[in-house]
Amino acid sequence: DAGVIQSPRHEVTEMGQEVTLRCKPISGHDYLFWYRQTMMRGLELLIYFNNNVPIDDSGMPEDRFSAKMPNASFSTLKIQPSEPRDSAVYFCASSPPGRTQETQYFGPGTRLLVL
Amino acid sequence: AQKITQTQPGMFVQEKEAVTLDCTYDTSDQSYGLFWYKQPSSGEMIFLIYQGSYDEQNATEGRYSLNFQKARKSANLVISASQLGDSAMYFCAMREALKGGADGLTFGKGTHLIIQP
Repeated sequence: DAGVIQSPRHEVTEMGQEVTLRCKPISGHDYLFWYRQTMMRGLELLIYFNNNVPIDDSGMPEDRFSAKMPNASFSTLKIQPSEPRDSAVYFCASSPPGRTQETQYFGPGTRLLVL
Repeated sequence: AQKITQTQPGMFVQEKEAVTLDCTYDTSDQSYGLFWYKQPSSGEMIFLIYQGSYDEQNATEGRYSLNFQKARKSANLVISASQLGDSAMYFCAMREALKGGADGLTFGKGTHLIIQP
């Protein structure tokens, strides 16, 4: 299996621009999670999906952040407009059906820098 | 709220020695799970090992083992025969129940492990 795939791996943008991060979960996994990692706050859960449906978005910091999962093999996290404090590494993770208790497999992350 | 504490911001260890990375947790739940992840300089998060609160035996995965002491609420990671490639950040995490029935992860701040030749 290819593992969780994220793109782009690195993104540099200017404040005010729209940023779209992409994720392809492991085939057959029906849970998808978006996390953000910063030096100050560590790793934080932003939102998760079950069978393409957003279930818990309580970790999404602001209305500038939105996430979608149009099908089982693709999810996006969008920031519009972006701000310098959004600079972080954004991870996508997925879990097999009924096994969120035991394991989450992370993608390589997207390093976002907002100037 | 659940909390994970990793008290060692950084560690230097000689190659081939065993390493213990500390993790303590705080929860009022009876059922919970503990994870360890490795994050090398390349940035990816690599799942290492999982321990359930009802598991009677300590989890092991190759050179990794988890020293689970429930009464002390500790879940230390032990790496036997360390290798240069073990140099990385290591994160302890706890399963947390989310709205909707799935489980997310609460992470500690991490320990930066450096293996010296």
